[in-house]
Parts: sequence; C-alpha cells; structure tokens
Amino acid sequence: DGGITQSPKYLFRKEGQNVTLSCEQNLNHDAMYWYRQDPGQGLRLIYYSQIVNDFQKGDIAEGYSVSREKKESFPLTVTSAQKNPTAFYLCASGTGSSYEQYFGPGTRLTVT
Amino acid sequence: GDSVTQMEGPVTLSEEAFLTINCTYTATGYPSLFWYVQYPGEGLQLLLKATKADDKGSNKGFEATYRKETTSFHLEKGSVQVSDSAVYFCALIKAAGNKLTFGGGTRVLVKP
Repeated sequence: DGGITQSPKYLFRKEGQNVTLSCEQNLNHDAMYWYRQDPGQGLRLIYYSQIVNDFQKGDIAEGYSVSREKKESFPLTVTSAQKNPTAFYLCASGTGSSYEQYFGPGTRLTVT
Repeated sequence: GDSVTQMEGPVTLSEEAFLTINCTYTATGYPSLFWYVQYPGEGLQLLLKATKADDKGSNKGFEATYRKETTSFHLEKGSVQVSDSAVYFCALIKAAGNKLTFGGGTRVLVKP
C-alpha cells in the first residue's frame, strides 16, 4: 500500500539529548513537510523540502534540523537547542503540482 | 501574513444534529482551501477541498463552499454520527508545493 510511515509512534527522551524522527513515503512525491502540533493548537510548519538535497525553513525551524538525501525519506532531528520539544510531530508529502498534502500518523515526543 | 480563523470548540452535539464549523481566512491572491479531520491519536486526513471561488467541496456528507466575498469556508453536515467525533482543521495553501496555513482546529464531540 502507498502511504507515509512515521516511527516510532511514541518517543521519550531526556532533556539535553538529540532525537531523530523518521518519515518515509512511497507515494513518489517530490515535496515533504514537517509540522508540529501542540495541544489545542493548529499545525505549524518546521521545515519543508520540494526536491532531494534541498530544504527550506518553515515558521518554527529553530532547534530543528533535517536532511533530504533520498526522495522517500525526510528525517527530522530535534536538537537540545529546541526549548519546548514535547509535541506531536506530523510528516506530510505532496506533489509539486498539487495542492494536496498527505499526512503520516505522527510521532508523539515527550522530553523530560 | 496569511491566517485562518476557526470557531473555538469543543462543539458538543447529539447524533443526527446539524453541524456547522465556521472558518474565515486572510490571504492575498487566490488560495485553495481545505478541511482536514484528525481522529484521536492519528494524523490528518483530507476531508474536502475547493480551489476557486464558489467551488463546493464535499465528502462523506460534509460540504463547504468557497466564498471569496466573505473570505469564508464553513464546514457543514446535515446529520452527524458518533463516528464524526474528531478535530477538524481548516487550512489554506497559496500555491502547489507550498506550506499549508492551518486554523487552530475545532474539536467536535457527538453523543449518542
């Protein structure tokens, strides 16, 4: 089946540690996105990539990093510089010619 | 910048009641508009979309009409079911491949 997978579903880390969230898609989409969702709030864009080996900062990129070495994969690293990392992280993908974005199931990160 | 405003929830309804969730937007140009739905613990699913003024998007009994004169995209369903309990997000996009701008989400709870 085509789709977007994110792993793990739940992730726990100690403060001061970097952590990498996985996002893989087999939809052959060029564009991929990372959003952050906080309780009772909408989604905010962290980073996005419209093509392999290229990515742009979104609205809240500070404390995060990404890579796009393969079309299928867009991992997000939450660094120790991110002041409030506990959140629900959603990955999405889309074609460059379409307005639609397709979302993965999300990873809930808890940092204590 | 662009923004989307949704009515705050939670909205609590009885089964078979009529549902309306208000959504208004601020954007330059001619954005495309979307409604996404998020069931508990899951990612977002595209519910419906409209790409130009006066377009009506519809899916699973839900409808929304793109009203440019009032910059609105209100979501309606004539008879809700318990399974419609979820968080609903209104969103806009300015161009293919760009970021989605989300409203804050509206939680809907349908009671039997």
